[in-house]
Amino acid sequence: QKEVEQNSGPLSVPEGAIASLNCTYSDRVSQSFFWYRQYSGKSPELIMSIYSNGDKEDGRFTAQLNKASQYVSLLIRDSQPSDSATYLCAVINAGKSTFGDGTTLTVKP
Amino acid sequence: DAGVIQSPRHEVTEMGQEVTLRCKPISGHDYLFWYRQTMMRGLELLIYFNNNVPIDDSGMPEDRFSAKMPNASFSTLKIQPSEPRDSAVYFCASSPGLNGYTFGSGTRLTVV
Repeated sequence: QKEVEQNSGPLSVPEGAIASLNCTYSDRVSQSFFWYRQYSGKSPELIMSIYSNGDKEDGRFTAQLNKASQYVSLLIRDSQPSDSATYLCAVINAGKSTFGDGTTLTVKP
Repeated sequence: DAGVIQSPRHEVTEMGQEVTLRCKPISGHDYLFWYRQTMMRGLELLIYFNNNVPIDDSGMPEDRFSAKMPNASFSTLKIQPSEPRDSAVYFCASSPGLNGYTFGSGTRLTVV
């Protein structure tokens, strides 16, 4: 089992819809969780961090964490074509981040 | 703030040659990470430093890879000798504490 697993994707949604990206992790002691966005040919960019159970909202983005289920998700409301990218889930454990393989999102106009 | 600066952006080299990748982290960030990204394996952590000291190098593929951080503003990743399977994008990232990272633009390495 991989340490961090994400929906294999690709995920396609129409413009204006909600995009839902999911991630599970294997180590229960993990404490910090992050979402990065990576455009094709570019480097990953941090967009959300979450440390405690519940929801965290930042603009059109909402991160959700459920430590009991070892599950973290990212919701993108009112999706825009500019949101089309690969989204990477990362989990910090023992001082280092482990990344999932990413889910590629395409938002169609 | 100029962000994390990596050089070179692209490197094409012949098998067997030495390759040195460079990174300047964000001033004040006490953690520095080297990652490698390929389509097959995704983002893999190679090594990371805290306050210039290597903490975990378990991701370094083999003895051909080495990394140094002589001071808080500079780090190198060296591959000697290089092999075609080393072809990948190498990212340097830094962070203040164990928080989200800021990545550099990456070095695309091609070994022919």
